[in-house]
Amino acid sequence: EVQLLESGGGLVQPGGSLRLSCAASGFTFSSHPMNWVRQAPGKGLEWVSTIGESGSDTYYADSMKGRFTISRDNSKNTLSLQMNSLRAEDTAVYYCVRRLVLGSRWGTFDYWGQGAPVTVSS
Amino acid sequence: EIVLTQSPATLSLSPGERATLSCRASQSVGTNLAWYQQKAGQAPRLLIGGASNRATGIPARFSGGGSGTDFSLTISSLEPEDFAVYYCHQHINWPLTFGGGTKVEIK
Repeated sequence: EVQLLESGGGLVQPGGSLRLSCAASGFTFSSHPMNWVRQAPGKGLEWVSTIGESGSDTYYADSMKGRFTISRDNSKNTLSLQMNSLRAEDTAVYYCVRRLVLGSRWGTFDYWGQGAPVTVSS
Repeated sequence: EIVLTQSPATLSLSPGERATLSCRASQSVGTNLAWYQQKAGQAPRLLIGGASNRATGIPARFSGGGSGTDFSLTISSLEPEDFAVYYCHQHINWPLTFGGGTKVEIK
């Protein structure tokens, strides 16, 4: 059974930093691109970042570039998101999400963790 | 950026009725479109990938259609557990984007 378990969420002051982690199990972690998607309170879904299978390819939403860093450790089946210079508008639930691989192409998001709440407030 | 516009924002229906949700893309995404269901307090769940392929374990009452810029999600006969928010999502162009969601509520 595929499981994605986020940790590291919490309350942080504006301008502060936080590191989210996601422990993956039940599948071959190194064979899938991994992602972070967030959802602000009462709002819709927003893609944050994607990292390729080996970790050498990374992609970010414009509003996160330069502030957030995605990484993975395939030996430990873990995905991370380092968030710096946090703003109030970064307050959201952050989901760890697996992406399908269809032959040589990347497909859609198929499995989601339960989410890690992040609150940026003084 | 590809903008996905979902309509209607809210759909008020009774159990047993048919629900048809729409998602329009600002430019073609081929069939690289997915639908997710999200219930209150839960993570989203993949319903449909590739515009029309039901994910594992998804009941046959859910069907997806369309290609290019116009897509639909149909629930043939609403069950009580189907009242939720539904999102479409394109995964062909960066940045990956989601529609604003359609809430299916009990009338």
